[in-house]
Amino acid sequence: DVKVTQSSRYLVKRTGEKVFLECVQDMDHENMFWYRQDPGLGLRLIYFSYDVKMKEKGDIPEGYSVSREKKERFSLILESASTNQTSMYLCASRLTGNSQPQHFGDGTRLSIL
Amino acid sequence: RKEVEQDPGPFNVPEGATVAFNCTYSNSASQSFFWYRQDCRKEPKLLMSVYSSGNEDGRFTAQLNRASQYISLLIRDSKLSDSATYLCVPTTSGTYKYIFGTGTRLKVLA
Repeated sequence: DVKVTQSSRYLVKRTGEKVFLECVQDMDHENMFWYRQDPGLGLRLIYFSYDVKMKEKGDIPEGYSVSREKKERFSLILESASTNQTSMYLCASRLTGNSQPQHFGDGTRLSIL
Repeated sequence: RKEVEQDPGPFNVPEGATVAFNCTYSNSASQSFFWYRQDCRKEPKLLMSVYSSGNEDGRFTAQLNRASQYISLLIRDSKLSDSATYLCVPTTSGTYKYIFGTGTRLKVLA
């Protein structure tokens, strides 16, 4: 079974802090993704990576950056946290190819105070 | 038109009922499709993959209508544990991004 592990289930941070969310997958997947999910808005793609050290902006990259130094790890960074970044953050991974399903971590519920 | 459209529901059905909901997609080049279920405050989990005209897995059947560009999910003999939000995901060759529908909420009532 694919295992995608996110570092924290719940996280509370203060406005202006730099926040790191970590994601690790154990299935040698090339592609990794960060989403945020808000009520009524569904899943929105922040950034994705199709290979080590490669990254691409998703639909809502502003205020975020990412790092992928190793194949199994994809980090999401909130450069200066703001209250509108309070959300559920979901990491996903999959093999290359559009017939491959994405597998999700169990999410990080982030609150910015 | 949105890339993926789903009726948000909720669909309230009694235990044992059959329920179906549709997902329409705008990109005619979409080739593969996934249904995910998402429980409240949890992550989406893969329910079914659809690569051709449809797929069946136990009580769940997915059917694809390429001409009308929709995919349906049919659940037979509904269980209380089927209560969840069901997300539709069409995929297109040549793009890394998957567009997730916002989901249809199902409530199975005792």
